[in-house]
Amino acid sequence: AQSVTQLGSHVSVSEGALVLLRCNYSSSVPPYLFWYVQYPNQGLQLLLKYTSAATLVKGINGFEAEFKKSETSFHLTKPSAHMSDAAEYFCAVSDRGSNDYKLSFGAGTTVTVRA
Amino acid sequence: GAGVSQTPSNKVTEKGKYVELRCDPISGHTALYWYRQSLGQGPEFLIYFQGTGAADDSGLPNDRFFAVRPEGSVSTLKIQRTERGDSAVYLCASSSPSGGDGGTDTQYFGPGTRLTVL
Repeated sequence: AQSVTQLGSHVSVSEGALVLLRCNYSSSVPPYLFWYVQYPNQGLQLLLKYTSAATLVKGINGFEAEFKKSETSFHLTKPSAHMSDAAEYFCAVSDRGSNDYKLSFGAGTTVTVRA
Repeated sequence: GAGVSQTPSNKVTEKGKYVELRCDPISGHTALYWYRQSLGQGPEFLIYFQGTGAADDSGLPNDRFFAVRPEGSVSTLKIQRTERGDSAVYLCASSSPSGGDGGTDTQYFGPGTRLTVL
């Protein structure tokens, strides 16, 4: 089964600074990859996903992620953090093939933004 | 339009009791998923419905857990003889076929039901 590892359970950044959240997956076959954001008392919201097109994926709210097969990584970045980016972020993966609907999530990274 | 809704938002019960958690998916979405999120962890897959049938229930932890979707819309997750270890946030998601691989379908999540078993 697929799995993902998110490095760092908490990240603190200054407003206007770069946001970098790390995600590594376990499979030798490139899976589908996703980043979700969860605000307090709200459902998970999809930020972006990698399926099979461009390796640099642009998402909502200025976020982007780059798929690097050689590093089995899918790190999430945003050039300039905003206070509204404070939330919990989850990387997720699903297999290609018959189980492609089954998402496996990392443990999450909580982002705080300092004024 | 309306997103995925889940009721109740919070449920407190005593050990050994039976609980039902409800999910209303986005109208027209044929696929429905249940996940469980324990404290400090990411969501874990429980069950997947395509229409009325459970296409994959491999994530249900044991036979105390059961889910139904009788008319292919609303789903109910049922937990019998609840245990303290069942305490978690139960998330529901739905999706609609995008025409490509299923893995490319975006799953839209509800806000969850926080279950506390005392």
